[in-house]
Amino acid sequence: DTEVTQTPKHLVMGMTNKKSLKCEQHMGHRAMYWYKQKAKKPPELMFVYSYEKLSINESVPSRFSPECPNSSLLNLHLHALQPEDSALYLCASSHGPGAVETQYFGPGTRLLVL
Amino acid sequence: DQQVKQNSPSLSVQEGRISILNCDYTNSMFDYFLWYKKYPAEGPTFLISISSIKDKNEDGRFTVFLNKSAKHLSLHIVPSQPGDSAVYFCAASGTGTASKLTFGTGTRLQVTL
Repeated sequence: DTEVTQTPKHLVMGMTNKKSLKCEQHMGHRAMYWYKQKAKKPPELMFVYSYEKLSINESVPSRFSPECPNSSLLNLHLHALQPEDSALYLCASSHGPGAVETQYFGPGTRLLVL
Repeated sequence: DQQVKQNSPSLSVQEGRISILNCDYTNSMFDYFLWYKKYPAEGPTFLISISSIKDKNEDGRFTVFLNKSAKHLSLHIVPSQPGDSAVYFCAASGTGTASKLTFGTGTRLQVTL
């Protein structure tokens, strides 16, 4: 089973709203990732969590706040977003840091900021 | 600086024929390469990978070839099926940066009847 789930599937929010994206995996993976994908572009890495600790932040604006409550869950808290933040937000997981490994992606959350 | 390049934005192939998708990279530190398939508004689905110690990896209809000296990899799909129509991304990671995947820009494959 290589399933990563994400909720919600779609989200529309205003620039003053606070919302959260949720990601879950039950594969025992110890690394989890957030990516952002704009139309006709490849996924861009935002954050990496390794053993529930933030290990990589790709200079993401502070209006995006990641959280890893436990090894199966990854959240992305959104606050005061801009219309240009509208994109497909993808979560991924992999076995763990160290050796080269495959990342498995969830279906994504399609975000629209008005 | 595009370290992973897919120079063909689109490819059209007839059903039953071979599809060949190409990918070039510039970073000699990359040592693990993956291919993902993506349908619109869905997450990428892992297809096949190859380590730099190999030059070929096969899984069913999918074969990936790696030419390290040319910094080039290709994905062969034989026979192509209409359900293969999607965008294909190649991705690469390197020793010490295993958590970071660098993606190519994608190739849209259309398999026609």
